Order: sequence, then C-alpha cells, then structure tokens
Amino acid sequence: KAGVTQTPRYLIKTRGQQVTLSCSPISGHRSVSWYQQTPGQGLQFLFEYFSETQRNKGNFPGRFSGRQFSNSRSEMNVSTLELGDSALYLCASRQGIGDNQPQHFGDGTRLSIL
Amino acid sequence: GNSVTQMEGPVTLSEEAFLTINCTYTATGYPSLFWYVQYPGEGLQLLLKATKADDKGSNKGFEATYRKETTSFHLEKGSVQVSDSAVYFCALQGGVTGGGNKLTFGTGTQLKVEL
Repeated sequence: KAGVTQTPRYLIKTRGQQVTLSCSPISGHRSVSWYQQTPGQGLQFLFEYFSETQRNKGNFPGRFSGRQFSNSRSEMNVSTLELGDSALYLCASRQGIGDNQPQHFGDGTRLSIL
Repeated sequence: GNSVTQMEGPVTLSEEAFLTINCTYTATGYPSLFWYVQYPGEGLQLLLKATKADDKGSNKGFEATYRKETTSFHLEKGSVQVSDSAVYFCALQGGVTGGGNKLTFGTGTQLKVEL
C-alpha cells in the first residue's frame, strides 16, 4: 500500500511570492492534516480536512490556507511568503477522525524562503 | 490545552545499552498516545501507540505503557542498535480538550547510538 505522497520535496521561493504544496493520502484515508516543523517552534498543527471540510485550524495567520478534493487529495497554499515561513511542511493522513486513529506522515516538503 | 513534555537530548548510548526516553503529558479526558520516529531527511514514522490507560504499545523492540496515574508514556528498548539513531517524538491526540483531536507533540529527543 502506498504511503502519503507529498510534492514537491523541495522548494525555493522569495519573499512575497506564494506557494502551493500537494499531498496525496494513503488510499482509503479521508482525513488529511498539515503540520509545520521548524527548529525553533517544533511541530505545529496547521489544519485538518475531512470529506472536503476543514475540521480544525491551528494558530497560523490567514496567509496559510488549504483545501481538500473529492478524492481526498489536499493542497496547502501560503501567500505573501515571509522568511519565517521556511520550514518542513508535513502532511498526514488517517482513515477517520477518531482520537485513537493514528496519523501517517509523508516525507514532507522543505520550503526555503530567500 | 493539551501539552507534552519529553526529556531533552541528545541522548548518547553505546550499542546494546538500555534506552529510556521520558514523556509526560497534560490533558483532560482520555487522549490517545503515540511515539513517532524521524530519520534525517524524512517525515515522521509511527513507532507505537496506546489508546487507553494501562495499554502497552510495542514495535521493533520498543515499548511504552500508558500510565494515567502518572500521566506518562515513557519509551523503552532493552538493547539499542546504531540503526536506532534518530529523533523520537512523543505525541497525544484527543481527550476532552483535544481541540478537534489534532496531534500535540513534544519537542523531540535525539538519540545517538555508538559502536
């Protein structure tokens, strides 16, 4: 069974640009979550989607947005990029939304802002 | 809200040594608990989980027991190998104040195993 696939693996952008990251969940998984990982702040939750609806959102500015398609694939968009947005962005999927259902992660997209 | 505290690293051990990485949590209700491992340049891999009090999660020689009375979920392995060198994250999900049952992570503990 294929795992969570994130594209691209690496991105370099400049301040003020926007970027779209893509995530394909494990087949049959309907929940997709996004996390940001930085050396200073660690792993922080961005948002979760289930059946094309955003269920939960972390404490990030409105420049960070996402969506989920009917095939459960998800995209995350960051507009007006800032230097501080440089991070590893991780996508995770799980079958449903129960507390006991583990999330399975992709290898991430490393975003560097120049 | 929920929070996870795990021991600072790096932890450096000799091969075949015993490993303990401490993890305590704060949450109301009954969250599920997880250990994830991250190798350089990769995402997080689920190592083990426990979903209720006194559950023991185990995988690849690693174990952790969900202790509600001490709000702890310490990771142990009897004999570590060089290939276990990685960063280990303790995490919780859910509980009454789970905030939509997102994962809340500890800061991670880097483990280095030497020959």
